[in-house]
Amino acid sequence: EIVLTQSPGTLSLSLGDRATLSCRASQNVLSNYLAWYQQKPGQAPRLLIYGASSRATGVPDRFSGSGSGTDFTLSIARLEPEDFAVYFCQHYSASPYTFGQGTKLEIK
Amino acid sequence: EMQLVESGGGLVKPGESLRLSCAASGLTFSSFAMVWVRQAPGGGLQTVSSMSSSGSYIFYADSVKGRFTISRDNAKNSLYLQMNSLRAEDTGVYYCATVTGLGWLDPWGQGTLITVSS
Repeated sequence: EIVLTQSPGTLSLSLGDRATLSCRASQNVLSNYLAWYQQKPGQAPRLLIYGASSRATGVPDRFSGSGSGTDFTLSIARLEPEDFAVYFCQHYSASPYTFGQGTKLEIK
Repeated sequence: EMQLVESGGGLVKPGESLRLSCAASGLTFSSFAMVWVRQAPGGGLQTVSSMSSSGSYIFYADSVKGRFTISRDNAKNSLYLQMNSLRAEDTGVYYCATVTGLGWLDPWGQGTLITVSS
């Protein structure tokens, strides 16, 4: 089973800042089969990124994903109020598909 | 618009059973694998069970094997999770989600809360 470790656990930033969230896998994630989700309080997770770097429909272009192998990054340029949420990574390269423990992005 | 709506959650005692349902609309349900993901209090996400579009491939997390049964009715555009012998550690919000493309999950339902407590 691939274990995904996200860092930091909490990230405190200001409006307009750039956020960089990390997701590290315990094994190689084949073909960059990695997704990122955003979750706001009381809501279901929402797909942001798939294939490590492809934005889902309707996701603003200030969100970008990168990385390969075992190290992946979600970047958010120019933070807006609605971006403060919890972010999860998930791999789908082999069963079971596992999630990282999440990074909480909070307003500083 | 693709939409998933879960139902069937509630408060139960340890050892009791529940059946969750997930009704899909706005998508060709029979073409997609489906998954149940739970979120325990405190926030982590865990894939509990998944089923291929035809029902021929099924996955269960080790923690629920032998207690939970996933099923689907493609004619009714519905996914189910029969949960028996519930434990306190099964408490959480249960989401159904569509396995899209190569394995990412989109969309998700709004979730249904299961609380297992005496």
